[in-house]
Amino acid sequence: NAGVTQTPKFQVLKTGQSMTLQCAQDMNHEYMSWYRQDPGMGLRLIHYSVGAGITDQGEVPNGYNVSRSTTEDFPLRLLSAAPSQTSVYFCASSTQGLAGLNEQFFGPGTRLTVL
Amino acid sequence: KQEVTQIPAALSVPEGENLVLNCSFTDSAIYNLQWFRQDPGKGLTSLLLIQSSQREQTSGRLNASLDKSSGRSTLYIAASQPGDSATYLCAVSGDRGSTLGRLYFGRGTQLTVWP
Repeated sequence: NAGVTQTPKFQVLKTGQSMTLQCAQDMNHEYMSWYRQDPGMGLRLIHYSVGAGITDQGEVPNGYNVSRSTTEDFPLRLLSAAPSQTSVYFCASSTQGLAGLNEQFFGPGTRLTVL
Repeated sequence: KQEVTQIPAALSVPEGENLVLNCSFTDSAIYNLQWFRQDPGKGLTSLLLIQSSQREQTSGRLNASLDKSSGRSTLYIAASQPGDSATYLCAVSGDRGSTLGRLYFGRGTQLTVWP
């Protein structure tokens, strides 16, 4: 049971390049989400998904796209990277309770630098 | 919108002290509250999860309490050790309306325990 995995661990991009951050979980969790963590800003929700084929925006969705074609995978796409997207990105997953989210499990993160 | 505040932002103590970390939230309509630990350059590790109907949870030297009506939680660390040095984050999961499917984080308390 690998839990939540993220690739790559580190990435450097030039402004305007595109890339996809990968996230996968093997716990059959319905809920998956992406956060970015910046100094002094805490963790901010980018996008989330409550199941295959269902996604929604979080607090800071601009510049990012997601899709959820399978339960296991939830990739995050940067369409045209900007220096403001330099951050550490975390993926998380959980089951869903009767009226909210259950315990969250986080991946190890991807450190992205945009030059 | 749910706002989560953690006090203090940083704490430095000698080994052996008992500690209290504080977390407050503005909307009492929560499903649960989760405490995490984050080591430098690493992901988030779940420490304790308290359901909204519970008053406290314990794991080893850690005890977390929840007062939902006043919007407060505390994380008590007994007999602190240098290995406890990390950033501690609290997060609440909403239980209704637009807060369903979202986790709101505080900015964390950076703890240093010196020998």
